[in-house]
Amino acid sequence: QKEVEQNSGPLSVPEGAIASLNCTYSDRGSQSFFWYRQYSGKSPELIMFIYSNGDKEDGRFTAQLNKASQYVSLLIRDSQPSDSATYLCAVMDGTSYDKVIFGPGTSLSVIP
Amino acid sequence: NAGVTQTPKFQVLKTGQSMTLQCAQDMNHNSMYWYRQDPGMGLRLIYYSASEGTTDKGEVPNGYNVSRLNKREFSLRLESAAPSQTSVYFCASRTDSFNQPQHFGDGTRLSIL
Repeated sequence: QKEVEQNSGPLSVPEGAIASLNCTYSDRGSQSFFWYRQYSGKSPELIMFIYSNGDKEDGRFTAQLNKASQYVSLLIRDSQPSDSATYLCAVMDGTSYDKVIFGPGTSLSVIP
Repeated sequence: NAGVTQTPKFQVLKTGQSMTLQCAQDMNHNSMYWYRQDPGMGLRLIYYSASEGTTDKGEVPNGYNVSRLNKREFSLRLESAAPSQTSVYFCASRTDSFNQPQHFGDGTRLSIL
């Protein structure tokens, strides 16, 4: 069974700090990776996607991918209380390209 | 623009009852998905459909059946509901380019007593 793991939470950071969320995956053939944010009682919403090794930045969010280490991370700079949510890492299966597997999520709490 | 629409939003069933959860998307996406989410857990894939007429098992297919009725609609059926199937069910769709994200419905909150 192909697996996606995330750092266990909950993660608490003070307002203005950098939050670091990590994800590892078992499928070496995976090519596409997504970060979703999910507020309590709501559906997931896309934050970032990345498919090339290295960093991808979008505003306060930076996704980092290292395929050799099978590792993808999300950094949130200048964290705000509105960033408090569960962050889900999603990995596209390397052989069944329509199959998308999620990690268990990391709960982030930004303390004012 | 409706996106992905799930019905119903809430449902309470008794053990042994059957039910079909409906999902429809208006974005002309080929791929559709059913996930369940239990408290404190991520999304677990139940079934997915890469195109009209095809369906494949995900991580947790036991106790469920699906139908891809047409390109727009993908339904999930519980033939004999069990308390272990109490969960929030999300439907999603995506276009079939490799770097495209999924779009999610609002979820169906299902309780089985």
